Amino acid sequence: GQQLNQSPQSMFIQEGEDVSMNCTSSSIFNTWLWYKQEPGEGPVLLIALYKAGELTSNGRLTAQFGITRKDSFLNISASIPSDVGIYFCAGGGRRGTYKYIFGTGTRLKVLA
Amino acid sequence: SQTIHQWPATLVQPVGSPLSLECTVEGTSNPNLYWYRQAAGRGLQLLFYSVGIGQISSEVPQNLSASRPQDRQFILSSKKLLLSDSGFYLCAWRTGLNYEQYFGPGTRLTVT
Repeated sequence: GQQLNQSPQSMFIQEGEDVSMNCTSSSIFNTWLWYKQEPGEGPVLLIALYKAGELTSNGRLTAQFGITRKDSFLNISASIPSDVGIYFCAGGGRRGTYKYIFGTGTRLKVLA
Repeated sequence: SQTIHQWPATLVQPVGSPLSLECTVEGTSNPNLYWYRQAAGRGLQLLFYSVGIGQISSEVPQNLSASRPQDRQFILSSKKLLLSDSGFYLCAWRTGLNYEQYFGPGTRLTVT
């Protein structure tokens, strides 16, 4: 099935560093969602974006809805060991469909 | 508040055996319901979604089927499991009011 391009695929960072990841699509979406998944668990919704250009924060996490509506970005500031996991983006809200298209995921590993 | 349950949490089944996974949502009415499958270390593949009782949309032709016998109950079934059916099965829901989608804890299925 269709997947969104997410980069980087994986990253090792030092504790305290800021992290950036992005998600790109060839299609326009009206909604962007960002999730975090830990091993053996279901993805947890972190941030939802509904408007082009929108910048939304959730604690140390900040996400942006790209102006073209074809991309989205997630930043994590001052990373800590519990930020470890896989981060997924998802695009949705297209007219006439209830489906979401998911990114390929960014695996984050934090070195203490 | 809304909660989503999935059971069983883990399942080991022989090839050719039947399958029934159940998902229920509490605290909301008329949710959109989704079944996803996630292979090890991979992204999420949408299998089925439902916008109402008895309404099922299939995304991937395979030996799986889904049913929605009640408003907040979604069942994933198979008559004869294949080795390739192994994976992590996730149920998700969203309301019709916004596009935020929430996942259940998942079922780990191993077909031997």
